[in-house]
Amino acid sequence: TQLLEQSPQFLSIQEGENLTVYCNSSSVFSSLQWYRQEPGEGPVLLVTVVTGGEVKKLKRLTFQFGDARKDSSLHITAAQPGDTGLYLCAGAPNAGGTSYGKLTFGQGTILTVHP
Amino acid sequence: NAGVTQTPKFQVLKTGQSMTLQCAQDMNHEYMSWYRQDPGMGLRLIHYSVGAGITDQGEVPNGYNVSRSTTEDFPLRLLSAAPSQTSVYFCASSQTPPASGTYNSPLHFGNGTRLTVT
Repeated sequence: TQLLEQSPQFLSIQEGENLTVYCNSSSVFSSLQWYRQEPGEGPVLLVTVVTGGEVKKLKRLTFQFGDARKDSSLHITAAQPGDTGLYLCAGAPNAGGTSYGKLTFGQGTILTVHP
Repeated sequence: NAGVTQTPKFQVLKTGQSMTLQCAQDMNHEYMSWYRQDPGMGLRLIHYSVGAGITDQGEVPNGYNVSRSTTEDFPLRLLSAAPSQTSVYFCASSQTPPASGTYNSPLHFGNGTRLTVT
């Protein structure tokens, strides 16, 4: 079973601060996705990164995939109360093998941004 | 646009009772899956299906059964509920399975079923 360790588990910050969430594994993933979940709803995809070293930006959010495709980070600049939610990383294993069809999720980071 | 629809939204069961959690998608997605979400543990895969008539076990399959007779529907059955199955259950679908070697399409999630077993 491939594992994804996500940190920190909780983040409580003031509006305007910057933050980084990390997602680490000893396994190689073919791609890594980041989801955001609000209370009472299912997760919604933010981004997919597929190439080692890839950086993607989504407004104030910057996502990076590690060179070895074993880790990823999410950086939020000037956080706003609307960024509050649960952030989840999810790794897709390399094609084929016993992990076919199995997406692995990290434990999640609960972010609270105070006005 | 309906997307992924889960019913019921809430359910309370007594230990030993059985029930079926329903999941339907209207996007003609090949891949469907069931996850459970518990505090501090993220989402854990229960069962998944890569197409009608094909199902397989995920990380935590014990106590749960699934079937996939149509592309649209993927019900999850609890045959004899236990307090350890108290959780929030999410159904998700995508165009292609993860690690299929093709483009990794996003998972589309339903809004979950909150199950309590007493």
